[in-house]
Amino acid sequence: DAKTTQPNSMESNEEEPVHLPCNHSTISGTDYIHWYRQLPSQGPEYVIHGLTSNVNNRMASLAIAEDRKSSTLILHRATLRDAAVYYCILRGPSYNQGGKLIFGQGTELSVKP
Amino acid sequence: SQTIHQWPATLVQPVGSPLSLECTVEGTSNPNLYWYRQAAGRGLQLLFYSVGIGQISSEVPQNLSASRPQDRQFILSSKKLLLSDSGFYLCAWRGRDSGPLDTGELFFGEGSRLTVL
Repeated sequence: DAKTTQPNSMESNEEEPVHLPCNHSTISGTDYIHWYRQLPSQGPEYVIHGLTSNVNNRMASLAIAEDRKSSTLILHRATLRDAAVYYCILRGPSYNQGGKLIFGQGTELSVKP
Repeated sequence: SQTIHQWPATLVQPVGSPLSLECTVEGTSNPNLYWYRQAAGRGLQLLFYSVGIGQISSEVPQNLSASRPQDRQFILSSKKLLLSDSGFYLCAWRGRDSGPLDTGELFFGEGSRLTVL
């Protein structure tokens, strides 16, 4: 499974945008980029995913570099409820044949009021 | 709608005692099922996954085992707990691939916090 590298922690101010980076230099052409987040004492929840093009949903935006070796999760206006650990994960083609999702260490985002 | 339940939510067990954590999914059929563990700090370690009844794949050698006796039931067990088995155990499910628009989203349960003393 291809690996991802994320900063250990980041800080943001409330109501400001947050850009969470992820490096995945060994990504293959068929790997999807997934983001999950985990609030304290809860299971992770899906945030967004993409393959090549930038993606937007109600929770966040995902910007994918042209060479796909890095991506950025964008929270447009951070709230205190966005304080969580954010995981960037590569989903390989075997996923659809019963494969698994491997989580890294993630980035712990803290949001200051 | 689909739901996933895990129990117990919290348990404290002595070293050497057995363990059984149960996970059930409702509202879907033939899901893929997963057990993850999160030790102190961050990072989720995949322990087991299952694509069908009786089909278990183990990711890491350890003191634990998993079983899937029914389509929507996944059980994590140990015959003799070790101190190192302490952690936050998470069950998760996802549906079968339904085509290009399938997000492959994993849905997690509430977790079971195990402390081995």
